[in-house]
Amino acid sequence: AQSVTQLGSHVSVSEGALVLLRCNYSSSVPPYLFWYVQYPNQGLQLLLKYTSAATLVKGINGFEAEFKKSETSFHLTKPSAHMSDAAEYFCAVRGGNSGNTPLVFGKGTRLSVIA
Amino acid sequence: GAVVSQHPSWVICKSGTSVKIECRSLDFQATTMFWYRQFPKQSLMLMATSNEGSKATYEQGVEKDKFLINHASLTLSTLTVTSAHPEDSSFYICSARDGGSVPEAFFGQGTRLTVV
Repeated sequence: AQSVTQLGSHVSVSEGALVLLRCNYSSSVPPYLFWYVQYPNQGLQLLLKYTSAATLVKGINGFEAEFKKSETSFHLTKPSAHMSDAAEYFCAVRGGNSGNTPLVFGKGTRLSVIA
Repeated sequence: GAVVSQHPSWVICKSGTSVKIECRSLDFQATTMFWYRQFPKQSLMLMATSNEGSKATYEQGVEKDKFLINHASLTLSTLTVTSAHPEDSSFYICSARDGGSVPEAFFGQGTRLTVV
């Protein structure tokens, strides 16, 4: 079984400051890991994904995440926050690549960016 | 890139009526589609998984007779909320995979359903 824990339902940072959103996962098989962003009343947009290649994954909009197997973590970072980064962020895991295997989502972290 | 279109983006209906939500993969064949429900300020809850030409697999606690899912083609899946009640008001999101080596799912824009 797979599960995701996102630490902190709400994170607030100043514009230009470092963004760190935490995600820990549990998976009985080698996982695929994802970060998605959701703006109000919209679907989910993929930020980045880990697929067992490089452990440091770069995504869109300057975000990146590092897969640490020993810590079962996949934290999302961005060096300098922009106002447009304010949104809901979801970490998700898929155990295996079977077509029927759904994503399992964390509860989400709302990022606020203060001017 | 892979695009999933969901329609309508919002709908208001009266209690007791049925509402159909469409999910289309525009530039790939979606062998598997997933339907999620999202309550305000909460995460996505998987409702069901559907494969083209097969009956959907529903998650525990999801009423299959109330939430009818049809995946008749490789580019279209529909969710019909039958005899809708105010407690069915929610944000419904579909996602699709192409069944190949790409591990991620692509999401529609979501549908805001309000039952009055």
